[in-house]
Amino acid sequence: EDQVTQSPEALRLQEGESSSLNCSYTVSGLRGLFWYRQDPGKGPEFLFTLYSAGEEKEKERLKATLTKKESFLHITAPKPEDSATYLCAVQAGGGSQGNLIFGKGTKLSVKP
Amino acid sequence: NAGVTQTPKFRVLKTGQSMTLLCAQDMNHEYMYWYRQDPGMGLRLIHYSVGEGTTAKGEVPDGYNVSRLKKQNFLLGLESAAPSQTSVYFCASSNNGYEQYFGPGTRLTVT
Repeated sequence: EDQVTQSPEALRLQEGESSSLNCSYTVSGLRGLFWYRQDPGKGPEFLFTLYSAGEEKEKERLKATLTKKESFLHITAPKPEDSATYLCAVQAGGGSQGNLIFGKGTKLSVKP
Repeated sequence: NAGVTQTPKFRVLKTGQSMTLLCAQDMNHEYMYWYRQDPGMGLRLIHYSVGEGTTAKGEVPDGYNVSRLKKQNFLLGLESAAPSQTSVYFCASSNNGYEQYFGPGTRLTVT
């Protein structure tokens, strides 16, 4: 069964304290791995797509990496405005078009 | 561009009542999706559409129906609401079946 597990469930950082969020997955034929940011009361906001092991994407203080079993979202020198829930999702090959399987998310809090 | 919009933003229903949630996108996307998000469960796919006039079931389709009569609109219907359908509903769209862009959500409470 295709599955996505995110850890930790919650992470509290001080401003400037770098860290990483983990997304481990088991899927039959990965078509893509996606990272989203979700602020309270809002819809998920697309961040990155990773397609193959070894791929990396960067955006401001965020960097996403992908291996054959997991993905990491590295946050460098975070600021309070980076506080949000970060969602990971995978798309399996051979399945229905575009169907994403989401993890439960990591809630990040960055204190000034 | 407004992107993906959802109507209404909030709704309270009594058990057994019916309602329709409207999703509209102005990006000319082929694919559209309906999800529900519950605490501790993550986002789960209800129904989706790969083009105008097509619909298909997702992970949790029971109790819901959908229609895609126009490319830009995707409607989600609840024929007889139940308390278990209390949730936040998100619509999303995609032009290629990969990156999905989400709307702001509809918070539904069924009493």
